[in-house]
Amino acid sequence: EPEVTQTPSHQVTQMGQEVILRCVPISNHLYFYWYRQILGQKVEFLVSFYNNEISEKSEIFDDQFSVERPDGSNFTLKIRSTKLEDSAMYFCASSALGQGDGELFFGEGSRLTVL
Amino acid sequence: TQLLEQSPQFLSIQEGENLTVYCNSSSVFSSLQWYRQEPGEGPVLLVTVVTGGEVKKLKRLTFQFGDARKDSSLHITAAQTGDTGLYLCAGAGGGSNYKLTFGKGTLLTVNP
Repeated sequence: EPEVTQTPSHQVTQMGQEVILRCVPISNHLYFYWYRQILGQKVEFLVSFYNNEISEKSEIFDDQFSVERPDGSNFTLKIRSTKLEDSAMYFCASSALGQGDGELFFGEGSRLTVL
Repeated sequence: TQLLEQSPQFLSIQEGENLTVYCNSSSVFSSLQWYRQEPGEGPVLLVTVVTGGEVKKLKRLTFQFGDARKDSSLHITAAQTGDTGLYLCAGAGGGSNYKLTFGKGTLLTVNP
């Protein structure tokens, strides 16, 4: 069964360092997303990406965050200068179609720990 | 800001019992999803409901979307230990994206 894969599964970094989280969405999907979940809190929307550009982003997704689809298969989330409060589980998701018509598939997540 | 409140937050029952968990909001959603999340893993979609009043059944699980598309419920019949997990509801607003608003979840424990 096709799945969304994410790497690394866990990354520990020092405050102020740059981090890149990688995702391989399901191959025929067109919509890509990043969500995050701080320990003990709700899953929160960060950004959606369609047709090679950001289609929507939340207040959390400030200038420290960026997303990129560098080739036909990868979808990355970059945090330029990490802060302690960026520690969270980051989930990539993809869907073939837009909401209401297509299913949203989540990856298993990348746990980011900022020290 | 759209908010989804789930209740109860924790539920512990015996195998074979029935249960209902709720997802409520003051906002209207164009669709609502129910997910199940295991510790350290991503949410796994159970069902999407789109139409107000819609009822969907998945074996022992029954999902209902409120008439006004502001609330939903998940009913499990004859719970099994394998049903143990975190159940999340998530609502989508208008637009083409899956910009989902998640609830905090109901942690269900089914005891043998």
